[in-house]
Amino acid sequence: AQSVSQHNHHVILSEAASLELGCNYSYGGTVNLFWYVQYPGQHLQLLLKYFSGDPLVKGIKGFEAEFIKSKFSFNLRKPSVQWSDTAEYFCAVYYNAGNMLTFGGGTRLMVKP
Amino acid sequence: GAGVSQTPSNKVTEKGKYVELRCDPISGHTALYWYRQSLGQGPEFLIYFQGTGAADDSGLPNDRFFAVRPEGSVSTLKIQRTERGDSAVYLCASSLRGDYNEQFFGPGTRLTVL
Repeated sequence: AQSVSQHNHHVILSEAASLELGCNYSYGGTVNLFWYVQYPGQHLQLLLKYFSGDPLVKGIKGFEAEFIKSKFSFNLRKPSVQWSDTAEYFCAVYYNAGNMLTFGGGTRLMVKP
Repeated sequence: GAGVSQTPSNKVTEKGKYVELRCDPISGHTALYWYRQSLGQGPEFLIYFQGTGAADDSGLPNDRFFAVRPEGSVSTLKIQRTERGDSAVYLCASSLRGDYNEQFFGPGTRLTVL
């Protein structure tokens, strides 16, 4: 079955620290890749997406992600986190054989001021 | 414009009861999705509508779950004979069309089965 793995379930950082959240997906042919964020008390929002082209994609609020096809990875990065980045982050994949997003289990990020 | 809305925001019911959860997608979006998110997990796909028809219902866990979208806009997820294991947040999403477009999510309905 197609699956998405997020290695870090909980991450705690201090403000200004750099962030990298891992995401790996199982092989399934052509994929489109997404990172969603859920701030406390809010609904899921799109951070960034990769469909094709430059494997380094930039999203909102200074986030970026790199698609490495050979590693089946789509890690999320931010050079300097802020307290307002405290949220849960979900990696999601569209496999071309399906009609739905397959989500990872999520990573809870806490940024200490 | 208005985003995806879901009602109720919270629903508490007793084991064995019937519940209906409503989703109002973004106007003009032809694709509508239902997901279920259990505590500590990511959302899991339930069903996908393209227009009025269920194009993929492979995620529905059993025949107690059913969803409709009779006019191609509002959708209702129906759960019969609820069980405690059905307790979760039920998310609805819509997109302009299917085929890998960005999905916009609603706030979810938190269902608790006592």
